[in-house]
Amino acid sequence: DGGITQSPKYLFRKEGQNVTLSCEQNLNHDAMYWYRQDPGQGLRLIYYSQIVNDFQKGDIAEGYSVSREKKESFPLTVTSAQKNPTAFYLCASSTRTGGYGQETQYFGPGTRLLVL
Amino acid sequence: GQQLNQSPQSMFIQEGEDVSMNCTSSSIFNTWLWYKQDPGEGPVLLIALYKAGELTSNGRLTAQFGITRKDSFLNISASIPSDVGIYFCGSSNYKLTFGKGTLLTVNP
Repeated sequence: DGGITQSPKYLFRKEGQNVTLSCEQNLNHDAMYWYRQDPGQGLRLIYYSQIVNDFQKGDIAEGYSVSREKKESFPLTVTSAQKNPTAFYLCASSTRTGGYGQETQYFGPGTRLLVL
Repeated sequence: GQQLNQSPQSMFIQEGEDVSMNCTSSSIFNTWLWYKQDPGEGPVLLIALYKAGELTSNGRLTAQFGITRKDSFLNISASIPSDVGIYFCGSSNYKLTFGKGTLLTVNP
């Protein structure tokens, strides 16, 4: 079965602690994304990667870091610098479908991060 | 920046009714995507549209890519209780943009 997996489903962070959210895809997609979802805010882009060993900041990158060492994996670290980390985090990957700008994005099941 | 205006924000309907929601923008897009998100879950892609004027169905769902390439609608026919959730649109030209979603509640 092809898809995107995220783990864990729930994650608890203590004050001052860094935590890492896992995202793996076996869709052979080049591009991967991390979004944060808060009630009433919609999806906000944290980081994205179009290719292995390269990634770009999104709209709300402060307090987060990523790596892209393998095509299949795009882990997100929520650092202690992120003062309001409680949110639902969604990983996504996408494929170019055809012409310019034709991109289809698929999402993982999400990780809910809570602060103790 | 690019914005998608999705309406309505919420809908409360009776089981069996048809539903229509739409996304509009001032920008031109090359792809329109429609997703459904259940509480605590990731969004699931329902329909993808790649051509202006394209009309695509997926069971009781029908979506259309507007001729102007600035809008799209999603219709759900004969709604059932499991249709409850948040539906949102996404569209792309050089980057992906998402609407804020329509919360659908179905009363049995």
